[in-house]
Amino acid sequence: DTEVTQTPKHLVMGMTNKKSLKCEQHMGHRAMYWYKQKAKKPPELMFVYSYEKLSINESVPSRFSPECPNSSLLNLHLHALQPEDSALYLCASIGGRANEQFFGPGTRLTVL
Amino acid sequence: AQTVTQSQPEMSVQEAETVTLSCTYDTSESDYYLFWYKQPPSRQMILVIRQEAYKQQNATENRFSVNFQKAAKSFSLKISDSQLGDAAMYFCAYRTISGGYNKLIFGAGTRLAVHP
Repeated sequence: DTEVTQTPKHLVMGMTNKKSLKCEQHMGHRAMYWYKQKAKKPPELMFVYSYEKLSINESVPSRFSPECPNSSLLNLHLHALQPEDSALYLCASIGGRANEQFFGPGTRLTVL
Repeated sequence: AQTVTQSQPEMSVQEAETVTLSCTYDTSESDYYLFWYKQPPSRQMILVIRQEAYKQQNATENRFSVNFQKAAKSFSLKISDSQLGDAAMYFCAYRTISGGYNKLIFGAGTRLAVHP
């Protein structure tokens, strides 16, 4: 299984809602990342998890809260988001011969 | 700090023709990896090809090949026999280790259109 899955595919939420994004991999990788991508731009790194511990937080606002319950699963909890947070949120799992980043299909988030 | 530059915001090619996408980078490291990722309208980032800097031989994956010029810090992607399904945004990426973790530095991307 060389796949990274993300749910949901699409999410529309209001600024007062609480929602969560989910990412899963079964490749035995021990590092997983969250990226944010705006249209026509490259992905921007948000969080790095290594061995289920948060290693890097790229100055992301606290309305984004990551969680790594186990080595296969990565969540991103969302609360009190702003319309400018609307973007594609990509998860990546790192491993393989060249320590490549394997990306999931993303969650397209719209904040109203 | 490392940087990656893709100077062609948009390119187009006729079906079955060949197109080359440019990428240059700046680094003081001697050992690193370079990647090309494809992102079609479905938005999933797909790894197209990788190049290890210490390997002189250019990487090839079916219709995709690279021209890696280490001294010039250039890493172009050639797509042969272009197909409609090749239409996508292409990102060049440099992999470094920063703060103990594997970090990708992306170029701004090149949008490729394929015309029948």
